[in-house]
Amino acid sequence: GAVVSQHPSWVICKSGTSVKIECRSLDFQATTMFWYRQFPKQSLMLMATSNEGSKATYEQGVEKDKFLINHASLTLSTLTVTSAHPEDSSFYICSARVQDISYEQYFGPGTRLTVT
Amino acid sequence: QKEVEQNSGPLSVPEGAIASLNCTYSDRGSQSFFWYRQYSGKSPELIMFIYSNGDKEDGRFTAQLNKASQYVSLLIRDSQPSDSATYLCAAKLVRGADGLTFGKGTHLIIQP
Repeated sequence: GAVVSQHPSWVICKSGTSVKIECRSLDFQATTMFWYRQFPKQSLMLMATSNEGSKATYEQGVEKDKFLINHASLTLSTLTVTSAHPEDSSFYICSARVQDISYEQYFGPGTRLTVT
Repeated sequence: QKEVEQNSGPLSVPEGAIASLNCTYSDRGSQSFFWYRQYSGKSPELIMFIYSNGDKEDGRFTAQLNKASQYVSLLIRDSQPSDSATYLCAAKLVRGADGLTFGKGTHLIIQP
């Protein structure tokens, strides 16, 4: 149980284009999902908290107009990187909370984004 | 002071020995603590969580929590080369984000 999938697993895009990453909870419903970014040899950095049916909460320093998050159902959250630049190249990982009374988070396999 | 601190390592342990990974946290009111394992190029995988003071054992893994000292540890018995990875300590802080706050991780190397 508690399986989270992400799609795509890797993507290469040109500078200035937009990329959408999907995060799905496969065997449970997740009212809360999280988006992280991890640069090589660095720690996980929380970008935003995604709540089903409401606006995402962004961490300080994360541009909400650049990283669009939509959590339209209890099993799907999407992250769209708009007008991507080479500095946005990173490993993007989502996680989902199994139930709201527990803080356990299960991670998706991650999406490696390369912007050329 | 960082909210969740870990020694980045690398920590080198001979195969078959006990690997001891440590973590401290700054938010005294924190209640929930987690250990994740992350292999290079992969996403983190939940190993254990602990909410109460004391020890919690699961197979070769033992998590230890001391809230008075604001200290969490993970022991890995009979270490195997496949245990070589980065181990992330995470806490649900009373203050701050709704999600977990992660330490930078300790890179563990099990020497065959």
